[in-house]
Amino acid sequence: GAGVSQSPRYKVAKRGQDVALRCDPISGHVSLFWYQQALGQGPEFLTYFQNEAQLDKSGLPSDRFFAERPEGSVSTLKIQRTQQEDSAVYLCASSLGLAGGLVDEQYFGPGTRLTVT
Amino acid sequence: AQTVTQSQPEMSVQEAETVTLSCTYDTSESDYYLFWYKQPPSRQMILVIRQEAYKQQNATENRFSVNFQKAAKSFSLKISDSQLGDAAMYFCAYLIYNQGGKLIFGQGTELSVKP
Repeated sequence: GAGVSQSPRYKVAKRGQDVALRCDPISGHVSLFWYQQALGQGPEFLTYFQNEAQLDKSGLPSDRFFAERPEGSVSTLKIQRTQQEDSAVYLCASSLGLAGGLVDEQYFGPGTRLTVT
Repeated sequence: AQTVTQSQPEMSVQEAETVTLSCTYDTSESDYYLFWYKQPPSRQMILVIRQEAYKQQNATENRFSVNFQKAAKSFSLKISDSQLGDAAMYFCAYLIYNQGGKLIFGQGTELSVKP
């Protein structure tokens, strides 16, 4: 079956613009994660969904960042009033996450590279 | 603070040889899981190997094995019979069982394989 897909793959935004990044998880995967990967760094956790419920948003760097997963499948990460420091690759991952299965393997998408000019 | 340290930004290995990538972590939790991920230049992260902290036996997956030293909080990855396709960024990560599944990553080690 298809893996995790993300769109767009590349996004250039002018400082101050709003952007929306999309993640299509593997069908049937309950858990969905967003990570931010700055150039030359490891990914950093942003937020986590179990179905449509956002259970952890402790990694979101500011209130300009907002994520949703209204129907428990596709998720969107929105960044308002983008700043240069938002430039990074945004990775989405999904896992089965069934009862007690919080340590299921996370499958990652290819990422969206955001450049803010 | 929960951290993961990979002290080798870059490593190089000759094809068919063995290489070990180091990783140390810091957590006060007792129930956690450790992972090594591979990120080729195409950027899709792939799980290489995982280790449950409660297991004393080191995990092995074909040419990949780990040396897990719980008391020292060390989790190194050994790649045997290195192949050209092993060239990639390797990230060490851990996950605390009761914290929803978020992964804490190290900064990565870039592995190059020489033919």
